[in-house]
Amino acid sequence: SQQGEEDPQALSIQEGENATMNCSYKTSINNLQWYRQNSGRGLVHLILIRSNEREKHSGRLRVTLDTSKKSSSLLITASRAADTASYFCATGSSPGTASKLTFGTGTRLQVTL
Amino acid sequence: KAGVTQTPRYLIKTRGQQVTLSCSPISGHRSVSWYQQTPGQGLQFLFEYFSETQRNKGNFPGRFSGRQFSNSRSEMNVSTLELGDSALYLCASSAGTLASTDTQYFGPGTRLTVL
Repeated sequence: SQQGEEDPQALSIQEGENATMNCSYKTSINNLQWYRQNSGRGLVHLILIRSNEREKHSGRLRVTLDTSKKSSSLLITASRAADTASYFCATGSSPGTASKLTFGTGTRLQVTL
Repeated sequence: KAGVTQTPRYLIKTRGQQVTLSCSPISGHRSVSWYQQTPGQGLQFLFEYFSETQRNKGNFPGRFSGRQFSNSRSEMNVSTLELGDSALYLCASSAGTLASTDTQYFGPGTRLTVL
């Protein structure tokens, strides 16, 4: 079973707008990673944030992590049609099982022109 | 540097058959993990191999097995296929250090359909 829930399940915005996705998880983590998946294809790694970090940026992406609330958010600024995809958060727990990623349910993002 | 490759990309089998999927990790990576993705259960961890040894295992029946070779390439086998095994099977590779910065990179997946 999946550990995390993502919110919203689906999001539709216009090009140029910002998109925010939230992820909640249940147990303590080593790190949290965000992935993008286009239409049933492989997962593309977007960004990793360690449990002792609170915020991280990569290009148009901004990730925050609140370990006290067991939640994370992914912000995509100035969205483009090419950002249309499903977005998943994934957590690695204790160092011994850090490679055992537990995925959230995903957010389907639709960016229209 | 070449990415993670998986073969075959698509596979159709019938119930009761067995299937073997292959994964070649990024050069230099020693860890290979396998995941199953279905519409109902989402993405679920199957197992991880590191230096030819299974290091972590998910909650799947014994029909699902894997192995890793000395060159880090990995295979996954599913025996006695069931309809519910229809899924996208994803392989991920990483350095395997278990450090908090160790990132997993995924292949394109193998789409298995069981009829």
